[in-house]
Amino acid sequence: AQSVTQLGSHVSVSEGALVLLRCNYSSSVPPYLFWYVQYPNQGLQLLLKYTSAATLVKGINGFEAEFKKSETSFHLTKPSAHMSDAAEYFCAVSDAGGTSYGKLTFGQGTILTVHP
Amino acid sequence: GAGVSQSPSNKVTEKGKDVELRCDPISGHTALYWYRQSLGQGLEFLIYFQGNSAPDKSGLPSDRFSAERTGGSVSTLTIQRTQQEDSAVYLCASSLGGRAGNTIYFGEGSWLTVV
Repeated sequence: AQSVTQLGSHVSVSEGALVLLRCNYSSSVPPYLFWYVQYPNQGLQLLLKYTSAATLVKGINGFEAEFKKSETSFHLTKPSAHMSDAAEYFCAVSDAGGTSYGKLTFGQGTILTVHP
Repeated sequence: GAGVSQSPSNKVTEKGKDVELRCDPISGHTALYWYRQSLGQGLEFLIYFQGNSAPDKSGLPSDRFSAERTGGSVSTLTIQRTQQEDSAVYLCASSLGGRAGNTIYFGEGSWLTVV
């Protein structure tokens, strides 16, 4: 069984500050990992994904995440927050096995607030 | 269309009524998923389609919930005898083939309120 834990349901940063959203996973098989963003009243948009290539993954809007197998983590970072980054962020995991069809298991989400 | 399209975007229904939610996936995407998003439960997987078949229905919460897909395209999620706990956002998603690692694209959701 797979699970995802996002530490901190709410994170608040100042504009221009570092953004760090934490995600730890539990999986009995090699995982694929994803970060999605959800703006108010909208669907989920993929920020980036790890599918066993480079462990440092760069995504859209200046976000990146590093897969650390030893720490079972996939934390999301952005060097400098912008007001438009305010949203809810979801970490998700899926099996990477050959018979897997990519079903996603999501964390509980982290709401990011950016202060001027 | 360019993205996953869902309708209705908002639905208010009385307890006990049946509702149908429609999803039009991205053209050419053979894999289709339904998820439910609610305050208490977060994002929950409901069902997965590959073509018109549903090899994984494990997330459907009760026999009041059913879904079908026709022509390898449009899907309908039906909730019978709605209950207040069914109030949630129902998200449809699709991907190009049902392989792990494929990007899954989400629609904007159908907001269901049961009163």
